[in-house]
Amino acid sequence: DSGVTQTPKHLITATGQRVTLRCSPRSGDLSVYWYQQSLDQGLQFLIQYYNGEERAKGNILERFSAQQFPDLHSELNLSSLELGDSALYFCASSPNYGLAGPVYEQYFGPGTRLTVT
Amino acid sequence: AQSVSQHNHHVILSEAASLELGCNYSYGGTVNLFWYVQYPGQHLQLLLKYFSGDPLVKGIKGFEAEFIKSKFSFNLRKPSVQWSDTAEYFCAVTARNSGGYQKVTFGTGTKLQVIP
Repeated sequence: DSGVTQTPKHLITATGQRVTLRCSPRSGDLSVYWYQQSLDQGLQFLIQYYNGEERAKGNILERFSAQQFPDLHSELNLSSLELGDSALYFCASSPNYGLAGPVYEQYFGPGTRLTVT
Repeated sequence: AQSVSQHNHHVILSEAASLELGCNYSYGGTVNLFWYVQYPGQHLQLLLKYFSGDPLVKGIKGFEAEFIKSKFSFNLRKPSVQWSDTAEYFCAVTARNSGGYQKVTFGTGTKLQVIP
């Protein structure tokens, strides 16, 4: 158990719908990362937040958005869903302090499996 | 832009065989290097990491990796694999982006299948 929790574990929805995935980082971790893992694309970094602010962006579609709240939990919103959005979505956290300070490894949550039908 | 290449997408070995998985990155500045493992049906877990110092780092479960700066490589090795090492292995690199924040880049992963 990494200490990172994600809900829900599984989500089945229809094309065109909107879903929200939730992530609670390890206690004390300020950075949250979102990843998408699919069979054809592999592990893709989507976005990173640090203490409520967006810090890095990867291959995140415009239909997707995320935010990190004052209590440090994060939500990934996926809208206008397409069949190709079916994937495992991982959240990871780390104590990284942003601009300065040491670098830490990431701790991954169990993932949310999204199936779009 | 930084990138990470894992040239072996799928490796099949017999138990007790030696393992070496390649990882090359492209970034000219200071980097931190990681290997993560994802066992079937599970989330990614850290195997080992390199920040500075001895370029040969040892991780959990008998894995080690060597950082060769001149070759921009961080290859993962294990002298004798076990069936339980069947998993997907990801190399990752962090470096500071233009805003000064650490940006992480993962390789595409290598699926290792160990045959008993």
